[in-house]
Amino acid sequence: AQTVTQSQPEMSVQEAETVTLSCTYDTSESDYYLFWYKQPPSRQMILVIRQEAYKQQNATENRFSVNFQKAAKSFSLKISDSQLGDAAMYFCAYRDGGATNKLIFGTGTLLAVQP
Amino acid sequence: ETGVTQSPTHLIKTRGQQVTLRCSSQSGHNTVSWYQQALGQGPQFIFQYYREEENGRGNFPPRFSGLQFPNYSSELNVNALELDDSALYLCASSRAGSNYGYTFGSGTRLTVV
Repeated sequence: AQTVTQSQPEMSVQEAETVTLSCTYDTSESDYYLFWYKQPPSRQMILVIRQEAYKQQNATENRFSVNFQKAAKSFSLKISDSQLGDAAMYFCAYRDGGATNKLIFGTGTLLAVQP
Repeated sequence: ETGVTQSPTHLIKTRGQQVTLRCSSQSGHNTVSWYQQALGQGPQFIFQYYREEENGRGNFPPRFSGLQFPNYSSELNVNALELDDSALYLCASSRAGSNYGYTFGSGTRLTVV
């Protein structure tokens, strides 16, 4: 069975600095997708960035980028120029390439941004 | 383009009762998934509906059931509520065949006392 592990329950970063959130996963599939979601106090899961396993190039969305290491099954999120609005719970998620859109989530990392 | 809407936002029920949670999917989306998020945990997949049929289920007992309607909205029903059912229930909609992730609602906070 696929699993997703986030080993950092909490992280803190100074405003304008860079922070990296870690995620590892386990799967025997070759076709899958990885996601980072942000969950602010409003509770809604917001997609931050996604990565297709078949793409070697790391995904980037403005200040957010990933370091996807397929052999190591690692998928870390880097937030550059951190802003106060980045403070939230961040979840790493996995989905295989099958018909079911089932997402498997990690336990999350609570990010605090210090002014 | 409307997002995913869930109702109610909060709910308190007594152990043994039944509850129905509702979800309106985003415009253009035809697949709905439900997740249970216990306090301090990541969401756990309950099931998914496509074309009004369940086409994927997580490790949840049969007392968790659902429906999808022709307009793609959905209901989650939980019978014989237990204290451990207290959680945030999230609905997510997507378009079948799309790999662009999902749109989540803000959830229903269910408390079982």
